[in-house]
Amino acid sequence: DIQMTQSPSTLSASEGDRVTITCRASQSISSWLAWYQQKAGRAPKLLIYKASSLESGVPSRFSGSGSGTEFTLTISSLQPDDFATYYCQQYNSYWTFGQGTKVEIK
Amino acid sequence: EVQLLESGGGLVQPGGSLRLSCAASGLTVSNYAMSWVRQAPGKGLEWVSAISINGGVTYYADSVKGRFTVSRANSKNTVYLQMNSLRAEDTAVYYCAKARSTGLTKVYFDYWGQGTLVTVSS
Repeated sequence: DIQMTQSPSTLSASEGDRVTITCRASQSISSWLAWYQQKAGRAPKLLIYKASSLESGVPSRFSGSGSGTEFTLTISSLQPDDFATYYCQQYNSYWTFGQGTKVEIK
Repeated sequence: EVQLLESGGGLVQPGGSLRLSCAASGLTVSNYAMSWVRQAPGKGLEWVSAISINGGVTYYADSVKGRFTVSRANSKNTVYLQMNSLRAEDTAVYYCAKARSTGLTKVYFDYWGQGTLVTVSS
């Protein structure tokens, strides 16, 4: 089974900050990685697929990069609506999620 | 607008059964693979099961294999999750999710329902 590890688990930041979340896979997954945003009590929302492709309608301040085993999600300038929990997901072999990164107000 | 509406959750005793439904609107379910993902209270996301467009191929997480069964009724635009021999650790919000494509290989989930809560407790 492929394990996904995100860091940090919690991130405190201010509006306007540049934020980076890292996701590592236990084995190579090529670029078969997605990122989701989840707000409290809501369903996850797709942000990024195939490691760096921005889902339609998602603001361009979100970007993804990486391949193989190491990936990053970057928010270029944090907005009030971005305070949420973010999950990476590998879909190279079945599906596995990272444990999540909560982005909270500093 | 694509909408997925889960139903069927509730309180059930350990060892009991429940059947969850996921009714779709704004899309034709028969054109897509579908999946179930769950989230225990205060925890992260865990993939549970997936089903191909015609139901001929199904996948399960090891944690539910042999106890859960996924199925679909394309004529009703609905996907189901039959859950038997429920355990306390199955307590979670269960989400229905639509795959981006028809296949189950190298596919991610682009639309999610709002979820239905399953509580397993005596």
